[in-house]
Amino acid sequence: AQKITQTQPGMFVQEKEAVTLDCTYDTSDQSYGLFWYKQPSSGEMIFLIYQGSYDEQNATEGRYSLNFQKARKSANLVISASQLGDSAMYFCAMREGETSYDKVIFGPGTSLSVIP
Amino acid sequence: DGGITQSPKYLFRKEGQNVTLSCEQNLNHDAMYWYRQDPGQGLRLIYYSQIVNDFQKGDIAEGYSVSREKKESFPLTVTSAQKNPTAFYLCASTQIRDRRSEAFFGQGTRLTVV
Repeated sequence: AQKITQTQPGMFVQEKEAVTLDCTYDTSDQSYGLFWYKQPSSGEMIFLIYQGSYDEQNATEGRYSLNFQKARKSANLVISASQLGDSAMYFCAMREGETSYDKVIFGPGTSLSVIP
Repeated sequence: DGGITQSPKYLFRKEGQNVTLSCEQNLNHDAMYWYRQDPGQGLRLIYYSQIVNDFQKGDIAEGYSVSREKKESFPLTVTSAQKNPTAFYLCASTQIRDRRSEAFFGQGTRLTVV
């Protein structure tokens, strides 16, 4: 069964506007971590932001913030003030368990295009 | 600078041949991972290793093999048993810490069967 769902295959946003990329996940664990990665056309994966299942506050990193709704099992990424360089694939990922050794599984991704 | 180096960037393989993708890291990370990415899809885990001389199968290990003889190196061999090997392969590593440790990725190897 799909553990990470990203329902938006492609998104468009006007430069300088905010955009929300959706992510829902499925787990029976109480302890887990959620990640967002950016993949430009060059192919490398760039870590953006992390949210732990026990974190009381939503994570923020610069222009990136995570709208974490634990009861709904959603972890949406919000990008504020979009820039042309934000055009890329965005992946939501989850690590179940307590250690950094546990495997990380990825969603199918959302392609974001920023329009000038 | 510390990081993960994958080589080669592009690789062409004839049907029936085995090929080995290199992954080296100088981050002193214990855990290393191999992922496969097909066009328009997310990353799928092939193999991962938490310590030298030990590794576990991921979700799509069939047709692949790995070794972990050194902490810094985690090569992936795509064997002739892999029926559809054309894909983008990404290697990653993680520091020993807690579950919030993010994975660091290499630049990837694009493998094409000709």
